[in-house]
Amino acid sequence: DGGITQSPKYLFRKEGQNVTLSCEQNLNHDAMYWYRQDPGQGLRLIYYSQIVNDFQKGDIAEGYSVSREKKESFPLTVTSAQKNPTAFYLCASKDQGYSNQPQHFGDGTRLSIL
Amino acid sequence: QKEVEQNSGPLSVPEGAIASLNCTYSDRGSQSFFWYRQYSGKSPELIMFIYSNGDKEDGRFTAQLNKASQYVSLLIRDSQPSDSATYLCAVNRYMEYGNKLVFGAGTILRVKS
Repeated sequence: DGGITQSPKYLFRKEGQNVTLSCEQNLNHDAMYWYRQDPGQGLRLIYYSQIVNDFQKGDIAEGYSVSREKKESFPLTVTSAQKNPTAFYLCASKDQGYSNQPQHFGDGTRLSIL
Repeated sequence: QKEVEQNSGPLSVPEGAIASLNCTYSDRGSQSFFWYRQYSGKSPELIMFIYSNGDKEDGRFTAQLNKASQYVSLLIRDSQPSDSATYLCAVNRYMEYGNKLVFGAGTILRVKS
């Protein structure tokens, strides 16, 4: 089945620790996105990538880093510089960055602080 | 003013009624508009998208767009308890490096049987 796979489903971070969230898609989409959702709020864009080996900061990139070495993979690292990491993290993709087509989402990763 | 605004609700409707969800946006250059449904603890699921002024129907769902008024709505006919969820409005914003979606905070819908 084609889709977007995020792992793990739940993740716990210790003080001063970096953690990496995985996002893999087999839809052959060029564009991939990372969002953060806090309770009762909409989604906020962290980073996005239009094509392999290129990515751009979104609205709340501080404390996060990404890489896009393969078309199908777009991992997000939550660094120790992100002081309030507890949130629901969502990865999305769409066919091309400039198209009007909708984005589709993975099932999400819920990150909490130990 | 937020870029995309929705009434947070909750909007309560009886089973079988029409639920009307509204969204306004500030960027007049926006060209595409999306409605996502999000059940508690789950990821957003695409319900409808609309690009042109007027109505677009898909089953029990109708999306309505009025670009002059910068207003997009979602009507759900014959509402069912399974429609109870948060509905997110999203608007495409054009940027130098591709488009991005700007989301409203969502409207909570409760359908009572």
